[in-house]
Formats: sequence, C-alpha cells, structure tokens
Amino acid sequence: RKEVEQDPGPFNVPEGATVAFNCTYSNSASQSFFWYRQDCRKEPKLLMSVYSSGNEDGRFTAQLNRASQYISLLIRDSKLSDSATYLCVVKNQAGTALIFGKGTTLSVSS
Amino acid sequence: DAGVIQSPRHEVTEMGQEVTLRCKPISGHNSLFWYRQTMMRGLELLIYFNNNVPIDDSGMPEDRFSAKMPNASFSTLKIQPSEPRDSAVYFCASSPFGGMNTEAFFGQGTRLTVV
Repeated sequence: RKEVEQDPGPFNVPEGATVAFNCTYSNSASQSFFWYRQDCRKEPKLLMSVYSSGNEDGRFTAQLNRASQYISLLIRDSKLSDSATYLCVVKNQAGTALIFGKGTTLSVSS
Repeated sequence: DAGVIQSPRHEVTEMGQEVTLRCKPISGHNSLFWYRQTMMRGLELLIYFNNNVPIDDSGMPEDRFSAKMPNASFSTLKIQPSEPRDSAVYFCASSPFGGMNTEAFFGQGTRLTVV
C-alpha cells in the first residue's frame, strides 16, 4: 500500500461549484498533515496545514480523521484560478520529511 | 529572500553522460530535500539532509545516484551514468529543522531529459 493515496481525478467543475478531495495515509503514527498546490510546470507550494480539529482558510476547509487515516480538502465557490493539482502530504514517522501523494487535478471552467 | 535556487532549469543530455544538479537552500534552513517528479510515480523523496548530514537516502533509486551537501548553502545531486528513465523534474526543497508543522519551500526544479 502506498504511504499516501489520492484519487488522481481529474475533477472538472464549473465556477462556483463546491469540490472535495480525499486522501488516505498508511502510517498511523504520522503526526503532521498538509495540502500543497502545484500549478502546471511549477513547483509545489503550501496551501494549508491540516489540524486535528479541522481548519478553514477562506474558501478552503481541511479535515483530518485519525481513526480512518483520512484527510480531506473542501473548496467552496470554485474560481478559475483554483485550477491546479492538489497534493496531500504527510510527514514521515520521524517528523523529518514530507511524503507526497500523487495529487488530484482540478479544472475549473467558466 | 531569493527562495530555493536550482540550476540548471533545463538539462538535455545523452545516455551515459554524467549529470549534476545544483541547489542553494534558503539561508538559515537546516533541512534540505531532493525530490523527483514523474507522471507515473508522482513526487518521490530521494534523499534528505539535516545540518548538512544525509539522514535518509533510501529513496535514491540506484547507485548511479549520489547527493552531497558540502556546506549549509549548497547541495548537488549527481547521476552517473544517466539513463533515459532518469528523465523527470528534480526538485530541491528546504525547511527550518524541527516543528511538526514546518513548511518545505521548493525550488523551481530542474527538468532533465536523457536521450
């Protein structure tokens, strides 16, 4: 089983739609979780950290379910500029390196 | 701050040649990571350093790959000899060491094509 698994998509949605991405991780000892965003032919950049109680940043909401080893990202009111690949990221057990999922591609159209 | 700087941005080389990728981390960051990204395998961690010391190189695919960090401001990833299947985008990232929610900052990557 891969350490971090995501549905690759692509997700094709109209502007204004709500879209949710899911991710599962294999190591129950993992302590830190993130969502990164990667635009086409660019480097990954941190979108948001994921906290145990769930957290929100504007139109973006991240949630963590430790019992199910499941992470989610919800995007409300999608914009054209949200089109990108969203990478689910888990820190390794030692807490020293980031392990990436293969990413979920989102395409928002007008 | 200039961010993580990688060179070259693009590299095209012939099979069997030696390739050296370079990285300058963000000043003050103690951790440095080398990743490789392909369509098939996504973003794979190759090796990472803490305070210039290699901590885990289990992601390095073969002995043809080697990485060094001679000082806090410079690292290299070398492939010798290169093969077509090494074609990928190679990213370097740096991070302040410690802290469970510490962010990693990526360079713009080196797009390597081995023909």
